Amino acid sequence: AQSVTQPDIHITVSEGASLELRCNYSYGATPYLFWYVQSPGQGLQLLLKYFSGDTLVQGIKGFEAEFKRSQSSFNLRKPSVHWSDAAEYFCAVGARAGGSYIPTFGRGTSLIVHP
Amino acid sequence: DVKVTQSSRYLVKRTGEKVFLECVQDMDHENMFWYRQDPGLGLRLIYFSYDVKMKEKGDIPEGYSVSREKKERFSLILESASTNQTSMYLCASSRLAGGSHEQYFGPGTRLTVT
Repeated sequence: AQSVTQPDIHITVSEGASLELRCNYSYGATPYLFWYVQSPGQGLQLLLKYFSGDTLVQGIKGFEAEFKRSQSSFNLRKPSVHWSDAAEYFCAVGARAGGSYIPTFGRGTSLIVHP
Repeated sequence: DVKVTQSSRYLVKRTGEKVFLECVQDMDHENMFWYRQDPGLGLRLIYFSYDVKMKEKGDIPEGYSVSREKKERFSLILESASTNQTSMYLCASSRLAGGSHEQYFGPGTRLTVT
């Protein structure tokens, strides 16, 4: 069965600093990987996804993530964090089920941004 | 603008009550999902459906059932609510195949069982 580990429960950064959120996955086949963001009181929104091809993927809001097969990782990065980035971030790996991919989510990382 | 709506943002029920959580999507998606979200546990899949009248158990189906009579609507049912079902419930939808496999989420229903 697939699984996702987000080793950091909370991350605190200063506004303007760079950010890296870690994600490690376990899946027997080629993974479909996702990062979602949940702002306070909101549902989840897709930031970016990796299916194949270029291992560095660009997403919305200036985020990017790099797929490293050798490390089973899909870390999320942003060069300069804004106060509005404070939110919960979820990494997910999609497992094939029929014609679809059913995601398994990590436990999330809460991002705190100091002014 | 794509949309997934949930019938209530906040709900308070008593132990033993039958509870219905409703979810509607307007994107003609085949797949629909129910998750519960608890602090430190992330999202856990309760049930999903890939077609009308079809359902599949997720990771934590015990104590829950679902109904999908129409493509756009997916209901989560707590037959006899218990305090350990106090949680945030999130509904999501996605395309069956040929798409980006992105899930679209509703805003959630925070259920409190007293």
